[in-house]
Amino acid sequence: IAGITQAPTSQILAAGRRMTLRCTQDMRHNAMYWYRQDLGLGLRLIHYSNTAGTTGKGEVPDGYSVSRANTDDFPLTLASAVPSQTSVYFCASSEVAGATDTQYFGPGTRLTVL
Amino acid sequence: GQNIDQPTEMTATEGAIVQINCTYQTSGFNGLFWYQQHAGEAPTFLSYNVLDGLEEKGRFSSFLSRSKGYSYLLLKELQMKDSASYLCAVRDRDYKLSFGAGTTVTVRA
Repeated sequence: IAGITQAPTSQILAAGRRMTLRCTQDMRHNAMYWYRQDLGLGLRLIHYSNTAGTTGKGEVPDGYSVSRANTDDFPLTLASAVPSQTSVYFCASSEVAGATDTQYFGPGTRLTVL
Repeated sequence: GQNIDQPTEMTATEGAIVQINCTYQTSGFNGLFWYQQHAGEAPTFLSYNVLDGLEEKGRFSSFLSRSKGYSYLLLKELQMKDSASYLCAVRDRDYKLSFGAGTTVTVRA
């Protein structure tokens, strides 16, 4: 079944550790996004990529980095995790970054930083 | 940037109608989306408005007034499975989405 997969499903991480959240889509969508969702704050955009080889910063990019080496994969890296990065992380993709295209979301990764 | 407001919670009875309002202030409007999110799951797309007026999709309708910075999502003939959070999202000229905090709808028998 086509869609977006994320790994891991959940993770408990010690502060200061490095962590990469994986996101893969098989819909050949050009644009991909990373959001974090915190209670009372809604979804906030961390980083995005309009096409393979390009990335951009969203609303809350500090402490996170991304890469887009190919169309399908868009990993999110926390270089040195801090407790404030405890959140649920959603990856999303859309066919093109424009027009009436819709973003489709992966199942999410629940990350706890202690 | 975007400033998006929607109520935190709403409760309604099975079979009833509920209207979820969303107001926004934006530096560049390029469309408004509504998503549904069940607890512990990913958001799923419900509707999209870019022009003023009503868009109807079965039991769900969404309305937009760009001049008032206002949208609503109307859920008719409520079912228990409609208990979820409903997210209002505004797209800017760079095609990025900004989300409201979400409205949790509880449907009671």
